[in-house]
Amino acid sequence: NAGVTQTPKFRVLKTGQSMTLLCAQDMNHEYMYWYRQDPGMGLRLIHYSVGEGTTAKGEVPDGYNVSRLKKQNFLLGLESAAPSQTSVYFCASSYLRQGNQPQHFGDGTRLSIL
Amino acid sequence: DQQVKQNSPSLSVQEGRISILNCDYTNSMFDYFLWYKKYPAEGPTFLISISSIKDKNEDGRFTVFLNKSAKHLSLHIVPSQPGDSAVYFCAASRGAAGNKLTFGGGTRVLVKP
Repeated sequence: NAGVTQTPKFRVLKTGQSMTLLCAQDMNHEYMYWYRQDPGMGLRLIHYSVGEGTTAKGEVPDGYNVSRLKKQNFLLGLESAAPSQTSVYFCASSYLRQGNQPQHFGDGTRLSIL
Repeated sequence: DQQVKQNSPSLSVQEGRISILNCDYTNSMFDYFLWYKKYPAEGPTFLISISSIKDKNEDGRFTVFLNKSAKHLSLHIVPSQPGDSAVYFCAASRGAAGNKLTFGGGTRVLVKP
């Protein structure tokens, strides 16, 4: 009963490097999301997907790209990492597009950009 | 401009007493409100939600109250238990964009035995 799994859990990058964060869900959810959490600011939506092959911008999309080639996977890419992207990244998924349907979160990826 | 605000960054309460967490919002188009609980090194987990057509929703020890005219909601935990020590996030969504959540900054709750 894995739910939402994020890999890796921790990563340190140098400025300018690229990397991909992987999110996998086994609940057959249509909707998937990427958030970042910074101190005192709660979680902010980066990108989201309403189904396989679709992506859309959230509140803070700049510097990130995403892909949803398979329904169960949602990838977040940083093409050229910047120190401002140091954060904890959370992936989430949900079944229905209704405001009261809870999103299920992974345990996060802590990313440091030096 | 933060549309959802939790003005108390932390709260300390004695075990068995009531914990009251507050949340204010500015966007009158929000029609669902949710509370999430987060332990260190884990992702947020859903706790309770309320629709804008209601003013109260209860689930065991947890009750959420909504005051639409004041654009304010609160979460009551009664009685508080040491296992409730966590960070609590208030979140809001709009029906037309119901898949996107706007989060508050969180309130850290410490329940003392």
